[in-house]
Amino acid sequence: QSVLTQPPSASGTPGQRVTMSCSGSSSNIGSNPVNWYQQLPGTAPKLLICNTDQRPSGVPDRFSGSKSGTSASLAISGLQSEDEADYYCAAWDDSLKGAVFGGGTKLTVL
Amino acid sequence: EVQLVESGGGLIQPGESLRLSCVASGFTVTSTYMSWVRQAPGKGLEWVSVIDSGGSTFYADSVKGRFTTSRDNSKNILYLQMNSLRAEDTAVYYCARGSPGNRYGSRFDYWGQGTLITVSS
Repeated sequence: QSVLTQPPSASGTPGQRVTMSCSGSSSNIGSNPVNWYQQLPGTAPKLLICNTDQRPSGVPDRFSGSKSGTSASLAISGLQSEDEADYYCAAWDDSLKGAVFGGGTKLTVL
Repeated sequence: EVQLVESGGGLIQPGESLRLSCVASGFTVTSTYMSWVRQAPGKGLEWVSVIDSGGSTFYADSVKGRFTTSRDNSKNILYLQMNSLRAEDTAVYYCARGSPGNRYGSRFDYWGQGTLITVSS
């Protein structure tokens, strides 16, 4: 059972906008930045969104992040087939004194 | 160019020990926090440990007391010493660099390719 809760799956058609959620608590998302990772099959995770709503260099502006209270969201607009991947949210947890990940959301592009 | 290369994985019996290495290049391992993150087959990411720039360490409850994270500053290598291994430790183990600027966190800007540990008799 992951500390951060993500829906196991999401889907959309090319060109659509999809969002995925990440729910936590006051000790993690509520008090620390959220980071999002994209993991393509058979590869290491890649930092997609940092500090809740910032895009590292090279990440398309189709990807965006936000946070409200103890929940965060990742949005992907103009969905493309290459976006099909697993997406994980993460945050530092002040109570556990460790990083915590969500269980991941598998995105399918129909 | 920042690179992280893990090694040391393999098949090991329950109860035995193993040490993973993560050779870093393009930066110094003492300049920021470094973490180990694992992923069991077909499962999600699980944070394992962190060592900050000052050498302080924190561990996930699932490995506390069994795993130790350390580094060799002169060789620029991160280690994960794993003792009393269990079947549930079977996973791909990644080392990851924490983005400079914070003591620790969940922002990992570079990852190694991972090394697979299989714990089985």
